[in-house]
Amino acid sequence: EDQVTQSPEALRLQEGESSSLNCSYTVSGLRGLFWYRQDPGKGPEFLFTLYSAGEEKEKERLKATLTKKESFLHITAPKPEDSATYLCAVLDSNYQLIWGAGTKLIIKP
Amino acid sequence: ETGVTQSPTHLIKTRGQQVTLRCSSQSGHNTVSWYQQALGQGPQFIFQYYREEENGRGNFPPRFSGLQFPNYSSELNVNALELDDSALYLCAGGRDRNYGYTFGSGTRLTVV
Repeated sequence: EDQVTQSPEALRLQEGESSSLNCSYTVSGLRGLFWYRQDPGKGPEFLFTLYSAGEEKEKERLKATLTKKESFLHITAPKPEDSATYLCAVLDSNYQLIWGAGTKLIIKP
Repeated sequence: ETGVTQSPTHLIKTRGQQVTLRCSSQSGHNTVSWYQQALGQGPQFIFQYYREEENGRGNFPPRFSGLQFPNYSSELNVNALELDDSALYLCAGGRDRNYGYTFGSGTRLTVV
């Protein structure tokens, strides 16, 4: 069964304290792995798509990497405005997105 | 029109009633997907339409149904509402099934 697991469930950091969020997955026929950010009461906001192991993408303070079994979202020197829930999803062979439960990130000033 | 717009933003219905949620996507979004998101959980896939045909369905009963129209709009219909149907319903549009989807802000449905 296709499955996506994100860890930790919640992460509290001081402003400027770098860390990583993990997304591990088991899926038949991975077509892509997506990272989204979601603010309370809003729809997810697209961040990155990764298609193959070894691929990396960056955007401002965020960097996403992909291996055959997991993806990491690295956040460097975060700011309070980076506080949100970060969601990971994999696109399976049937073009269905399988979602993790998310990591709630809180950055304290 | 750019992005994805959902209506209404909030809705309260009574158990047993029927509801229709609407989504308007930007030109070129050939794919539309609908998701149910409970509080503190990731989105759960309901179904997906590609060029107006359903091409994928999650583990939801037949009382959840939908349509996609030629003008890139779509709707989600839920019959015989149950209390557990209370959730945020998200619509997502995309140009191609392999690329990132653009989400609307969702409709918060409360069933009482």
